[in-house]
Amino acid sequence: QKEVEQNSGPLSVPEGAIASLNCTYSDRGSQSFFWYRQYSGKSPELIMFIYSNGDKEDGRFTAQLNKASQYVSLLIRDSQPSDSATYLCAVKAAGNKLTFGGGTRVLVKP
Amino acid sequence: GAVVSQHPSRVICKSGTSVKIECRSLDFQATTMFWYRQFPKQSLMLMATSNEGSKATYEQGVEKDKFLINHASLTLSTLTVTSAHPEDSSFYICSATRDSHTQETQYFGPGTRLLVL
Repeated sequence: QKEVEQNSGPLSVPEGAIASLNCTYSDRGSQSFFWYRQYSGKSPELIMFIYSNGDKEDGRFTAQLNKASQYVSLLIRDSQPSDSATYLCAVKAAGNKLTFGGGTRVLVKP
Repeated sequence: GAVVSQHPSRVICKSGTSVKIECRSLDFQATTMFWYRQFPKQSLMLMATSNEGSKATYEQGVEKDKFLINHASLTLSTLTVTSAHPEDSSFYICSATRDSHTQETQYFGPGTRLLVL
């Protein structure tokens, strides 16, 4: 079983719709959760981080964390073609190391 | 703030040669730097963690004698791929953190694409 799992996609979303991305993790000791966006051929860029159960909103992005279910999600509202990328979920337990999921490829169609 | 640079951005080398990649934190002191490798259509795989002034900690399956890491200062870490072979061709990405707090994020460099002929 992979430590951090994501649906590889592609997740096809019409422009203006909501994209919903899911991530599950196996280590119950995980404390910090990050979503990165990676365009093809580029390195990851941080979108959001979340530490506590519940929702966290930042602009068009909302991260949701449920530690009991070991589940973290990312919602992208009003999806734009520029949101087309691979979204990486990353989890940190104690210390500094990030464990990445395989990524979900999102395609926003005009 | 929190900008990380890498040099070179792209390198092509012959099989058997060594290649050095630099990772710099431009506007902060990085207590820890990380080196990742990413093959096409795969996620990032952590190769090693390095702290300034101490030996790097390598992940299982990563040969420390092949991938030499030097973290000589709080703003610079280097990865040297020794005796590179075509299977070492990959996208190498470094990241850095400002402190060791669990909630601290990692800031990624732009990556170095290595092609070994």
